This record gives sequence, C-alpha cells and structure tokens, in this order.
Amino acid sequence: EAGVAQSPRYKIIEKRQSVAFWCNPISGHATLYWYQQILGQGPKLLIQFQNNGVVDDSQLPKDRFSAERLKGVDSTLKIQPAKLEDSAVYLCASSPGTSGGVGDEQFFGPGTRLTVL
Amino acid sequence: AQSVTQPDIHITVSEGASLELRCNYSYGATPYLFWYVQSPGQGLQLLLKYFSGDTLVQGIKGFEAEFKRSQSSFNLRKPSVHWSDAAEYFCAVGARDNQGGKLIFGQGTELSVKP
Repeated sequence: EAGVAQSPRYKIIEKRQSVAFWCNPISGHATLYWYQQILGQGPKLLIQFQNNGVVDDSQLPKDRFSAERLKGVDSTLKIQPAKLEDSAVYLCASSPGTSGGVGDEQFFGPGTRLTVL
Repeated sequence: AQSVTQPDIHITVSEGASLELRCNYSYGATPYLFWYVQSPGQGLQLLLKYFSGDTLVQGIKGFEAEFKRSQSSFNLRKPSVHWSDAAEYFCAVGARDNQGGKLIFGQGTELSVKP
C-alpha cells in the first residue's frame, strides 16, 4: 500500500514570495490533515478536511494561508505572501475517517521543508 | 484546553539500557493517547495508541506505554534500546468528542543512543 506522498520535499523562497505544497493521501482515506512543524516543536494542526469539506481550520492563518482538497483526494496548501516565521516542515497526514477521524491512526507523509529567507 | 508536556527535550542512553520517555497531558476526560516516532527526514510513524481497556499498551519495535489516569501520564518504555531507536519521539492526545480527530502534540523528546 502506497503511503502519503508530498512534494516538493524541499523549498527555499524569499519573504513575500508565494509557495504551494501538494499532498496525495493514502487511497480511500477520507480525512486529510496539514500540520506545521517548526524546528524544535511538535506538529501543529493547520487544517483538517473530511472528504472535500473543511472540519477544522481554526489555526490556519487565513490572511496568508489557503488550502483546498479538490474531489476529496489530493490537497494543496498555499502560502502567499510568505514570512520568515513560516520556515518549517509542512506535514500532510491522512486517516480512514470512518468516525470523522476521531481516534483514527494518522499516516504521515515525509513532509516539505520550507525555508524563507 | 488540551495540552501535552514532554519534560525531557533530549535524552541519551547507552545501547542495551532501558528507556522511559515521559508524557503528561491535560484534558477534561480520558483522551485518546498516541506515541509517534520521527526519524530524520521522515514523517511520523505510530508506535502505539491507547483508547480504553488495559492501561499497559504494547506497540511496535518492542515499545510499550502505560496510561496512568491519576497522574495524567502516558510514559513510553523500552527494556533494551537499540542504536536504531535514535530518533525524535512525540506524545499526542486526541479528543474523544466530535473534534474530527485533531491531535495535540508535545514538543518532542530527542533520543540519542551511545554505543
């Protein structure tokens, strides 16, 4: 079974530029998560999708971050414009979502390491 | 609000020695509890999880964890550490109510293994 795929693996941009990350979850998984992991910290949830609907985006900085999950499969996370403090690893995870994700094991992708100069 | 504290930022143990990584949580009821491991450049891999029942949970790679409600703790243990266990370990809590499976992670404990 293929795992969660993410691209690119690394990205370096200058502040005020825009950037986009892509995630392909495990086939059949209804729930998709985007986490931000700043160096030295644990992952923090940015947004959760159930199929193509948003369940939780309370910690997404909506003035600069956006995310979508078209057709309930792949997802993209965009930052525009980027700030220095956005330097982090962006992790995508998916879970079966049979109970809306509650109690599910989440399967994580390798992440995208973003450096903002 | 839910929170997770991992008091030890970095731990070093000798290969073959026993290991205990501490995790304390704050939650109004009994949460779902997880331990994940992250190797350099890799995503997080689930080691074990506690939902209910037996408070001693067995996981992969010889790890176990014990849920202690009175202490709000979920410490991870391994009787004999291997060099390949060197990685970052994250404790996480998940709500049992209708919050969609959101996980709150601790800040992580980095494990180094001495030969």
